[in-house]
Amino acid sequence: AQSVAQPEDQVNVAEGNPLTVKCTYSVSGNPYLFWYVQYPNRGLQFLLKYITGDNLVKGSYGFEAEFNKSQTSFHLKKPSALVSDSALYFCAVRGRGSTLGRLYFGRGTQLTVWP
Amino acid sequence: NAGVMQNPRHLVRRRGQEARLRCSPMKGHSHVYWYRQLPEEGLKFMVYLQKENIIDESGMPKERFSAEFPKEGPSILRIQQVVRGDSAAYFCASSPPRSGEADTQYFGPGTRLTVL
Repeated sequence: AQSVAQPEDQVNVAEGNPLTVKCTYSVSGNPYLFWYVQYPNRGLQFLLKYITGDNLVKGSYGFEAEFNKSQTSFHLKKPSALVSDSALYFCAVRGRGSTLGRLYFGRGTQLTVWP
Repeated sequence: NAGVMQNPRHLVRRRGQEARLRCSPMKGHSHVYWYRQLPEEGLKFMVYLQKENIIDESGMPKERFSAEFPKEGPSILRIQQVVRGDSAAYFCASSPPRSGEADTQYFGPGTRLTVL
């Protein structure tokens, strides 16, 4: 079975500080991993994905994520948070060679960046 | 280049009525996915379609729900005889024709269904 866990419902950080949004996964074999962001009453926007190769993936808006196979984690990071980063963040996984198409999502982490 | 379009954005139905949700994929995309987001939960996969074909409907409830992606026109998610538990945000995503496992799915703005 494939699943994603986002252990924190909420993350609060001051503007200018580094932020981390955590994600761990469970999948058979090697995964494809994705991060999406959702602003209020909007759809999901793609941030970045891990396919293979370099464990550090860089994405949109200054975000990056580190794939750690031994810890089955794919934490989202940003060196300096902005108030405009406040949104709901979703981690998603798809196993290689597994069920066609579908992504498995975590429950989401609400990020609040205060001025 | 327009993104994934969904309409209506908000839909209110009374119990027992039918709900039709439409999704137009990004230009050049031929793979469509539907997900449902219940309050306080992540997105749950419902169905994966290509033009005129249902590829994977393992996430669809067995009754009252159906989906199609005709040769011409948008993909339709149809919910018959809606109940209050169907109230949710329904998101459509699309990916390009060569879709491999690593292809990114691009999401529409969603349709928020409220059942009274």
